[in-house]
Amino acid sequence: EVQLVESGGGLVQPGGSLRLSCAASGFTFSSSWMHWVRQAPGKGPVWVSHINSDGSGTTYAESVKGRFTISRDNAENTVFLQMNSLRVEDTAMYYCVRDRSYSGDFWGQGTLVTVSS
Amino acid sequence: QSALTQPRSVSGSPGQSVTISCTGTSSDIGGYNYVSWYQQHPGKAPKLMIREVSNRPSGISNRFSGSKSGNTASLTISVVQAEDEADYYCYSYAGAYTWVFGGGTKLTVL
Repeated sequence: EVQLVESGGGLVQPGGSLRLSCAASGFTFSSSWMHWVRQAPGKGPVWVSHINSDGSGTTYAESVKGRFTISRDNAENTVFLQMNSLRVEDTAMYYCVRDRSYSGDFWGQGTLVTVSS
Repeated sequence: QSALTQPRSVSGSPGQSVTISCTGTSSDIGGYNYVSWYQQHPGKAPKLMIREVSNRPSGISNRFSGSKSGNTASLTISVVQAEDEADYYCYSYAGAYTWVFGGGTKLTVL
């Protein structure tokens, strides 16, 4: 059974940092592209970042470029999102998503990030 | 990376057919056959319903179908049921390993 379990969310002040983790199981993680997608309360999902299977290629939405870094550890079947210089507008549920044929075919349950003073 | 355009809401009675549109540009929807659709019930993660414009993943009802013409993609739900009431989002590859979502459409089953 495919499982994606996010962790690391919480309350942080503006300008602070958080590191999200997503533990994967039930599939060949090292062969899979992965994404982070976020969804602010009451809003639609927004694509945040992508990483290819070996971690050599990463891309970001303009809104997070230069502040967020995606990475992965294929030995531990885990993908990470390091979030720095957090802003109030980064408040959202953050989902880890497996890519298949340029679509997100499996989503975790999400981890909530709240940026507030 | 502008969001794709969807109607805010659509509605239909049980047994009817409804179609949700998703309009983008030649840089996203029009440029690639990588449009997918997601269903989201309150408090749940989005669920993939259609990928690559018109392909249904295993386990998805054949009442759900997708299509594309030019810069506009569509999701059609035939024989609408009460359980289909949810938010629906389109999603497209936008080149250079970037992706974009639509703003979402709330389906109300009357």
